[in-house]
Amino acid sequence: GAGVSQSPRYKVTKRGQDVALRCDPISGHVSLYWYRQALGQGPEFLTYFNYEAQQDKSGLPNDRFSAERPEGSISTLTIQRTEQRDSAMYRCASSSATAPLITDTQYFGPGTRLTVL
Amino acid sequence: ILNVEQSPQSLHVQEGDSTNFTCSFPSSNFYALHWYRWETAKSPEALFVMTLNGDEKKKGRISATLNTKEGYSYLYIKGSQPEDSATYLCDPSGGSYIPTFGRGTSLIVHP
Repeated sequence: GAGVSQSPRYKVTKRGQDVALRCDPISGHVSLYWYRQALGQGPEFLTYFNYEAQQDKSGLPNDRFSAERPEGSISTLTIQRTEQRDSAMYRCASSSATAPLITDTQYFGPGTRLTVL
Repeated sequence: ILNVEQSPQSLHVQEGDSTNFTCSFPSSNFYALHWYRWETAKSPEALFVMTLNGDEKKKGRISATLNTKEGYSYLYIKGSQPEDSATYLCDPSGGSYIPTFGRGTSLIVHP
């Protein structure tokens, strides 16, 4: 596709339910990042993949959060036993870096707005 | 992860005004700085990446400068237009691939 896509765009769930958020990066982009963004804040780093390898997950808030990218393309961020404090915009971004070069531009997806009731 | 500050947090200007805002970061261990433009309901869009002290980048009416020794970058908009209204995010990377975004400066240009 032309850009990074995410689905669903909006997700409303009840506390305690599991949710899975999908990111489809730009074709050929090997680096993929997940961010969480609270209202009025910049994106907060969650985790990073290089191809299928999860290189860094230091930003994941707790063990209810996990992410995978099994074939080095589409990635899924899963939140188990959701809590109200998990409500936020979840964005992913991809870049063409074959190694983590911080000069490479990231291309952001539209985000998934998660609301936990 | 760097401590990033952007100021002001919000800015209201009239169409035609020129404006600027700041991204501040620790000057030690700097590697590269990205500026992004983020319109409401859209995704952040990359504007510039700068790596060298004294770097200046320009894209149309928007330009940016970088001072790595004192730890700041300025973003300038000349002759602001309503379509420039957006949040401007900076991400100064301190030798790590983990991006650290500031809270952004929200610019509103009034016609």
